[in-house]
Amino acid sequence: RKEVEQDPGPFNVPEGATVAFNCTYSNSASQSFFWYRQDCRKEPKLLMSVYSSGNEDGRFTAQLNRASQYISLLIRDSKLSDSATYLCVVNRNGGATNKLIFGTGTLLAVQP
Amino acid sequence: DARVTQTPRHKVTEMGQEVTMRCQPILGHNTVFWYRQTMMQGLELLAYFRNRAPLDDSGMPKDRFSAEMPDATLATLKIQPSEPRDSAVYFCASGPGQGHYNEQFFGPGTRLTVL
Repeated sequence: RKEVEQDPGPFNVPEGATVAFNCTYSNSASQSFFWYRQDCRKEPKLLMSVYSSGNEDGRFTAQLNRASQYISLLIRDSKLSDSATYLCVVNRNGGATNKLIFGTGTLLAVQP
Repeated sequence: DARVTQTPRHKVTEMGQEVTMRCQPILGHNTVFWYRQTMMQGLELLAYFRNRAPLDDSGMPKDRFSAEMPDATLATLKIQPSEPRDSAVYFCASGPGQGHYNEQFFGPGTRLTVL
């Protein structure tokens, strides 16, 4: 079993739709969490950090449930430009080593 | 606009040859990471440096891979001898420190094909 698990998709949604991605992690000692975005044949880039209280950045909302070891990303009013792979990322050892463990990603395709 | 740079961007080589990949981290960043990405395994951490010292290379096959930071502006990843299973995209990333939520900035990657 992988340390960070995601549904690989693809998620095919029409423009304007709301889409949610889920992720689970197995190491209960993990302390910080992120969503990275990776466009086709490009490098990963930080989309947003995920805080315990949940956080929102425009159309994007991230939630963390430590008890269930579950992270989510909600995208509202999806745009064509949101098409990408979304990587769930966990900092395994917290701040001491900053060692990130990446999920294999969820592919989103927003259709016109 | 500070960026991580990597060379070469593409490399095709034959099995058994040595491959050297180079990375220039963002100036002022003291943590450097090497990752490998394949369709099957996703992104895997190979090596991790802080202040040029190797902290973790547990993800790296030691018999053929080596990672170094000769100075603060250069990180290298070598494969000798290369094998077809090494074909992947190799990313270098750098970060400003060890805080919980410090972002890692990725370079554009080196796409390696070993025939």
